[in-house]
Amino acid sequence: DTGVSQDPRHKITKRGQNVTFRCDPISEHNRLYWYRQTLGQGPEFLTYFQNEAQLEKSRLLSDRFSAERPKGSFSTLEIQRTEQGDSAMYLCASSPAGTGRGSYNSPLHFGNGTRLTVT
Amino acid sequence: RKEVEQDPGPFNVPEGATVAFNCTYSNSASQSFFWYRQDCRKEPKLLMSVYSSGNEDGRFTAQLNRASQYISLLIRDSKLSDSATYLCVVKGADYGGSQGNLIFGKGTKLSVKP
Repeated sequence: DTGVSQDPRHKITKRGQNVTFRCDPISEHNRLYWYRQTLGQGPEFLTYFQNEAQLEKSRLLSDRFSAERPKGSFSTLEIQRTEQGDSAMYLCASSPAGTGRGSYNSPLHFGNGTRLTVT
Repeated sequence: RKEVEQDPGPFNVPEGATVAFNCTYSNSASQSFFWYRQDCRKEPKLLMSVYSSGNEDGRFTAQLNRASQYISLLIRDSKLSDSATYLCVVKGADYGGSQGNLIFGKGTKLSVKP
């Protein structure tokens, strides 16, 4: 399977614990995105990388969230001191950066997501 | 005003019906527009891009009205398998200063009944 893969699929943790999720994008894709989705809502943008550079981070993202993509390949998303409000599906997506006007229409390819439950 | 707004539905239609979804966006500088489809408990998948002149892909037709900041999706001859949530998606340079991220609407739920 050469799609976007995320690990783990499910994570249950107690409030106050730290959790880390991993995303492996499609290998030739330069861009990697993290989104969060709760029931009845659309995916909410968290951050994105082009290669290893983190180009944008949502203003909604607290300091407890950090993401890395050290070698421009896989990425990790860490949530420190989890809160019940962090319970959501965390989606990773990748896309080719492309060049010029065509890059704006590069679709996102999503992984299956990591479902986080904070008790 | 939310950045991307959609009627959440649900739209309950019989097989064979024609159904239309609308979406409005707040940032006039937005440059690219898409419809994604999301099945229950699955990840979103690109349905189609939306071009200024309008575009069609089989039973699906997308339209863009930049003046009104409005996007539509029309599904003709709906099938049971069309049942899903349809997400309106907008990309624009002014969203938080980024040129890369996509802003999703909450989605419109469609249920096609036999």
